[in-house]
Amino acid sequence: DSGVTQTPKHLITATGQRVTLRCSPRSGDLSVYWYQQSLDQGLQFLIQYYNGEERAKGNILERFSAQQFPDLHSELNLSSLELGDSALYFCASSVLDRGGNTIYFGEGSWLTVV
Amino acid sequence: AQSVTQLGSHVSVSEGALVLLRCNYSSSVPPYLFWYVQYPNQGLQLLLKYTSAATLVKGINGFEAEFKKSETSFHLTKPSAHMSDAAEYFCAVSESGKLIFGQGTTLQVKP
Repeated sequence: DSGVTQTPKHLITATGQRVTLRCSPRSGDLSVYWYQQSLDQGLQFLIQYYNGEERAKGNILERFSAQQFPDLHSELNLSSLELGDSALYFCASSVLDRGGNTIYFGEGSWLTVV
Repeated sequence: AQSVTQLGSHVSVSEGALVLLRCNYSSSVPPYLFWYVQYPNQGLQLLLKYTSAATLVKGINGFEAEFKKSETSFHLTKPSAHMSDAAEYFCAVSESGKLIFGQGTTLQVKP
């Protein structure tokens, strides 16, 4: 158990819909990361927050957005869903946001778009 | 931008044989390198990390990796494979605090 909690674990939704994935980081961790894992793209970095502020952006679509709340939990919002958005979405956390940090991953949220 | 390349998307070994999973990195600065393992239907678990303290890094479950600057490599090894080692392994480099992952190597262990 990494201490990073993600909900829901599984989600099936229709195209065009909107979903929210939730993440609680490890106690004391200020930095939260979101990754997408799919068969064709592998593990792709989406976005990072540090203590409530956006720190880095990766290959995140405009239809996707995220935020980190004052209690440090984070949400990833996916809208206008397409079949290709079906993937495993990971949240991860670390104490700091600099190189060499150990980043701990949650078990992921499986999203299936039908 | 930094990157990692994992050579071989699938590696198959017999139980008890040496495990060697290859990773090469590209970085303009001294890198921080990681190996993670993903068991079926689970999240990513850190095996080990290199942060320039020592070139030979020992991790969990008997794995180790050696940082070779001259070869820009960070290969993962284990002397004797167990059936429980069957999983997907990811090499990653840290860039501004976030991780950039390789494409992953699936390790199959045959009895």
